[in-house]
Amino acid sequence: QVQLVQSGAEVKKPGSSVKVSCKASGGTFSSYAISWVRQAPGQGLEWMGGIIPIFGTANYAQKFQGRVTITADESTSTAYMELSSLRSEDTAVYYCARGSRILATVTDFDYWGQGTLVTVSS
Amino acid sequence: QSVLTQPPSVSGAPGQRVTISCTGSSSNIGAGYDVHWYQQLPGTAPKLLIYGNSNRPSGVPDRFSGSKSGTSASLAITGLQAEDEADYYCQSYDSSLSGHWVFGGGTKLTVL
Repeated sequence: QVQLVQSGAEVKKPGSSVKVSCKASGGTFSSYAISWVRQAPGQGLEWMGGIIPIFGTANYAQKFQGRVTITADESTSTAYMELSSLRSEDTAVYYCARGSRILATVTDFDYWGQGTLVTVSS
Repeated sequence: QSVLTQPPSVSGAPGQRVTISCTGSSSNIGAGYDVHWYQQLPGTAPKLLIYGNSNRPSGVPDRFSGSKSGTSASLAITGLQAEDEADYYCQSYDSSLSGHWVFGGGTKLTVL
């Protein structure tokens, strides 16, 4: 059974950066896309970007271009999402999610991490 | 403003049938990209409910069904149960510059 376990909650100051991790177990990490999706309090889901670890190149939503960096470490089956220049509007729960089909980006997300709350406050 | 449009809320009594619509455009659903649906119970991560427009993952009851036509898709839930009360999101791929994966704004289902 595939599991995605994310790092713990973070409290950050405006202007700083945060790096959230997502460790996969129970499946083949490198060949499946990992996406990052965030959810602001009381709001809907928003895709930020994704990566297929074996390819190593990330794709980002235009809204986050230049501010987000998604990477993956195949040796530890862990994906990372780093968001910089944080502002209060970035306060949200950040989820990692796995694409269901091997080597595909256009696919549904069959497994999700438990979520990481990032609070941006002065 | 979400790229995919869903009603903010729907409701129904136990045992009834409800539908949730998801309206897109020619750059996402209308371009032929599949629609997927997720159920999010309060305080939990989203769970895949329907993939590829109308397919149920193992373990999802057949009370849940999906369909797609043109630039829209629908999720139907029959035999409503109290545990179905949750937020539901549609998702599709978008070929425009606005991004890649897009979600609907979510629909809150209330079981009366």
